[in-house]
Amino acid sequence: DGGITQSPKYLFRKEGQNVTLSCEQNLNHDAMYWYRQDPGQGLRLIYYSQIVNDFQKGDIAEGYSVSREKKESFPLTVTSAQKNPTAFYLCASSRGEGYNEQFFGPGTRLTVL
Amino acid sequence: RKEVEQDPGPFNVPEGATVAFNCTYSNSASQSFFWYRQDCRKEPKLLMSVYSSGNEDGRFTAQLNRASQYISLLIRDSKLSDSATYLCAVNRQVLMDSNYQLIWGAGTKLIIKP
Repeated sequence: DGGITQSPKYLFRKEGQNVTLSCEQNLNHDAMYWYRQDPGQGLRLIYYSQIVNDFQKGDIAEGYSVSREKKESFPLTVTSAQKNPTAFYLCASSRGEGYNEQFFGPGTRLTVL
Repeated sequence: RKEVEQDPGPFNVPEGATVAFNCTYSNSASQSFFWYRQDCRKEPKLLMSVYSSGNEDGRFTAQLNRASQYISLLIRDSKLSDSATYLCAVNRQVLMDSNYQLIWGAGTKLIIKP
């Protein structure tokens, strides 16, 4: 089945630790995105990538980092510099230029203890 | 003013009724519009793209009003399973970047009651 997978589903982290969230897609989509969702708020864009080995900051990139070494994979690292990392993290992909529909993975719920 | 705004609700609607909600956007250059459905603690799922001429998919109808800069979603003969949060998304062209970002509303919560 084609789709987007994210792991883990739930993640607990101690303050001061970096953590990496996985996102893999087998849809052959060019573009991938990371969002953060907090209760009562819309999705906020962290980083996005239109093509392998290239990515751009979104609206709330501070305290996060990404890489795009393969078309299928777009991992997100939440660093200790992120002041309020507890949130629901969603990865999405789209076909790319001219096709704006985005499709989402099941999300990772990160809790900082 | 937020780029994309929605009434958070909740809209409490009896089963079988018709319900409609809107989503306003501020960027008159936006070209692509979408409705997504999000169940509690799940990911958003694409419900409909919104075309200039309006479009219908079964009980769901989406409309675009460019003059007033809003999109609407109408649900007829509502079912208990329609209970969810409905998110709208609008593209925002990034300068010097040919690919479009989507800007998201915070969602409208819909509760269908038996």
